Amino acid sequence: KNEVEQSPQNLTAQEGEFITINCSYSVGISALHWLQQHPGGGIVSLFMLSSGKKKHGRLIATINIQEKHSSLHITASHPRDSAVYICAVRYIGTNKLIFGTGTLLAVQP
Amino acid sequence: NAGVTQTPKFRVLKTGQSMTLLCAQDMNHEYMYWYRQDPGMGLRLIHYSVGEGTTAKGEVPDGYNVSRLKKQNFLLGLESAAPSQTSVYFCASRTGLAGVYNEQFFGPGTRLTVL
Repeated sequence: KNEVEQSPQNLTAQEGEFITINCSYSVGISALHWLQQHPGGGIVSLFMLSSGKKKHGRLIATINIQEKHSSLHITASHPRDSAVYICAVRYIGTNKLIFGTGTLLAVQP
Repeated sequence: NAGVTQTPKFRVLKTGQSMTLLCAQDMNHEYMYWYRQDPGMGLRLIHYSVGEGTTAKGEVPDGYNVSRLKKQNFLLGLESAAPSQTSVYFCASRTGLAGVYNEQFFGPGTRLTVL
């Protein structure tokens, strides 16, 4: 069982839909990251958060520390949002990230 | 700035052969990491470095060695490649500013196949 669980594993949406990807973890963390990996393989960091909510364009990330849960929302989804979205956490007292297995998102026109 | 670069992008090895993957970053980052990515699994940490001349084991270090002789370079070596090392390898780096955990910047990946 992975320490960082993401759901769903696969998601297909129609262009314009509101999308939510979830991430849950097991113990206390100092930071949670959301990353995006495009079909070409490159990985980019979208958000790093330790509390509350962050917004960048159409992307919103929230975290609930008490419930050990984070969500990534995409508003007005577009085919170019098609990618794998990866959640990763840094546990307290470590320099390392633990990664979820990713959510494969396909947005159809 | 080139960011994080990896050499080579693709490689096919026979079982028992050796090779070195090179990661270079031009952002003056202290921390560098080597990960492998396999289908159905999250990225897993192989080795990492918190500064020039230092290395440490990650989650899956067996069969790999690393060196960080220069701050900008982090080398990953496979002494005797095995089919189980077929994977996509990613290098990443981040700044080491005290008290702040900054984002990791990833290289484009190296796709390695061991026959």
